[in-house]
Amino acid sequence: DTAVSQTPKYLVTQMGNDKSIKCEQNLGHDTMYWYKQDSKKFLKIMFSYNNKELIINETVPNRFSPKSPDKAHLNLHINSLELGDSAVYFCASSQDNWSSYEQYFGPGTRLTVT
Amino acid sequence: GDSVTQMEGPVTLSEEAFLTINCTYTATGYPSLFWYVQYPGEGLQLLLKATKADDKGSNKGFEATYRKETTSFHLEKGSVQVSDSAVYFCALKYRDDKIIFGKGTRLHILP
Repeated sequence: DTAVSQTPKYLVTQMGNDKSIKCEQNLGHDTMYWYKQDSKKFLKIMFSYNNKELIINETVPNRFSPKSPDKAHLNLHINSLELGDSAVYFCASSQDNWSSYEQYFGPGTRLTVT
Repeated sequence: GDSVTQMEGPVTLSEEAFLTINCTYTATGYPSLFWYVQYPGEGLQLLLKATKADDKGSNKGFEATYRKETTSFHLEKGSVQVSDSAVYFCALKYRDDKIIFGKGTRLHILP
């Protein structure tokens, strides 16, 4: 069974469109994250939710909006897509937000904006 | 602020060579330290971790020791394999706070 799953794996869309990426974890974890990885492999945290509550909200454009319908799901909605949004987006989860717990990453969603 | 600095890649080695990937950190407190590995086309996976000074994390032949005096957490392996080719990320994390990743080091192992 996949621990952290994301859909879709690949997403190609045009500038100006609105798209969503879904994430689900079946580990019973309380905390979920969204990261953006650019072409140079630099990983940047975007958001973190703990028990459906937003706890980390880094400086990202407000075109990006996370939604957590329950603690097993954290979806990412992106409005008015721009070329610079092209990247790989990773969802992750951890047992909670305390220090020694590792994060489990999904396989990533490669977003290409044309 | 807190940060993690890794050696720039790519690092290219022959199979069975000794590997060191340097990682140093800047921290105001006592974070836990991690190494994550990302194989091509996949998400990151935890490779090893250490939660306090002088702890040694180890997994799959890789080791790293939490050195508070030199603020380092260098990754080592005695004999690398082609299958170790990946991107390696050093990271630190405090309780109740976000994880901070280094920029990653790409490792190529030649057969």
